[in-house]
Amino acid sequence: QVTLRESGPALVKPTQTLTLTCTFSGLSLSTSGLCVSWIRQPPGKALEWLARIDWDDVKYYSSSLKTRLTISKDTSKNQVVLTMTNMDPVDTATYYCARIDTTIVTHDAFDMWGQGTMVNVSS
Amino acid sequence: QSVLTQPPSVSGAPGQRVTISCTGSSSNIGAGYDVHWYQQLPERAPKLLIYTNSNRPSGVPDRFSGSKSGTSASLAITGLQAEDEADYYCQSYDSSLSAFFGTGTKVTVL
Repeated sequence: QVTLRESGPALVKPTQTLTLTCTFSGLSLSTSGLCVSWIRQPPGKALEWLARIDWDDVKYYSSSLKTRLTISKDTSKNQVVLTMTNMDPVDTATYYCARIDTTIVTHDAFDMWGQGTMVNVSS
Repeated sequence: QSVLTQPPSVSGAPGQRVTISCTGSSSNIGAGYDVHWYQQLPERAPKLLIYTNSNRPSGVPDRFSGSKSGTSASLAITGLQAEDEADYYCQSYDSSLSAFFGTGTKVTVL
């Protein structure tokens, strides 16, 4: 059974850097066709896609946030890490990681999601 | 940046049919990129509801159906049930392979 679990700080101060980890189980991050994205959702607002990393280490970023984001993976730990610099209260949100498997029928849809981790940005 | 526009809310009585529109542009849906739909129950993570415009993952009731035409897509729920009360999001891509979500629609069962 494949599961994703997000982890990270619940509270960060403005201007700090946020580091979030998505831990995979049941599937190796080196599996061809596997992609992992980070998606966030401010309280009461819509989903916003942030970044994606593919099995071959190709990376994609939201055009509006790309100067602040870095996505990476540690295949040996089956983890995907997202860092976001210069945090601001408007970045308060639940952050999700989600899977894409381009080798199955769902193709480029986010077919599996973690439970999400809530991050508050406040001094 | 691509924008997918949805109505903020739709409502219907149990058993009725409701539809949710997702309006994009020639740079995303109209460029041929597929549309996916997600259901988000209160305080829960989103769940894939429809993939590649009109396909249901295993376990999703056939009350849910999707379609795509031109620069828009639609999600229909027939035989509305109380458990369908949730937020619904469409999602697509643009030529940079950036993913985009719709503005979200809250479905209320009267």
